[in-house]
Amino acid sequence: GAVVSQHPSWVICKSGTSVKIECRSLDFQATTMFWYRQFPKQSLMLMATSNEGSKATYEQGVEKDKFLINHASLTLSTLTVTSAHPEDSSFYICSARVSGGGPYGYTFGSGTRLTVV
Amino acid sequence: AQSVTQPDIHITVSEGASLELRCNYSYGATPYLFWYVQSPGQGLQLLLKYFSGDTLVQGIKGFEAEFKRSQSSFNLRKPSVHWSDAAEYFCAVGQGAQKLVFGQGTRLTINP
Repeated sequence: GAVVSQHPSWVICKSGTSVKIECRSLDFQATTMFWYRQFPKQSLMLMATSNEGSKATYEQGVEKDKFLINHASLTLSTLTVTSAHPEDSSFYICSARVSGGGPYGYTFGSGTRLTVV
Repeated sequence: AQSVTQPDIHITVSEGASLELRCNYSYGATPYLFWYVQSPGQGLQLLLKYFSGDTLVQGIKGFEAEFKRSQSSFNLRKPSVHWSDAAEYFCAVGQGAQKLVFGQGTRLTINP
């Protein structure tokens, strides 16, 4: 089946530094990727939608300059948290739309736990 | 805008007992509905989905869900739970432009 590999699974960084999270589709081409944020014991909130080769579409309230999304190829999308602060600590999950997978045919990555100290 | 409500934040059942997790949605047209399961620190795994047709949907791991348009509900059921079913369960509705809107989640605890 379609697999999305998300890396790293966890990361601790110092306040003010930047962190990059990668999502790779291993055996399919992901024309569309979604990035979610999940606070402890809460639901997933969609941050942005990225289409290969074009700028990401951000949800209302999400700072595009802080959460940089790049979807330069059909198998790789990255989320960079710039100038991270403790309030950015969260669980970040990507999902990729599987071509031919039918409506809403998505595969999710395993998530990245970001802790900013 | 579409919304999903999972009334139960936390449910505890005994191993071997039956399970029902509730999900209510708000959507103007025929919805695309989903149930996902998330183990701690992991991504989401699709249990089942409803697009159209038979309102009783069978999924993986022995789960099923029933779409009831009159009640705007899509409750998840399992006749006999196993300790490995302990996880967080999310109901979701498909929104335009292929987006998913998730409910708040229900945490399932299994008593031995």
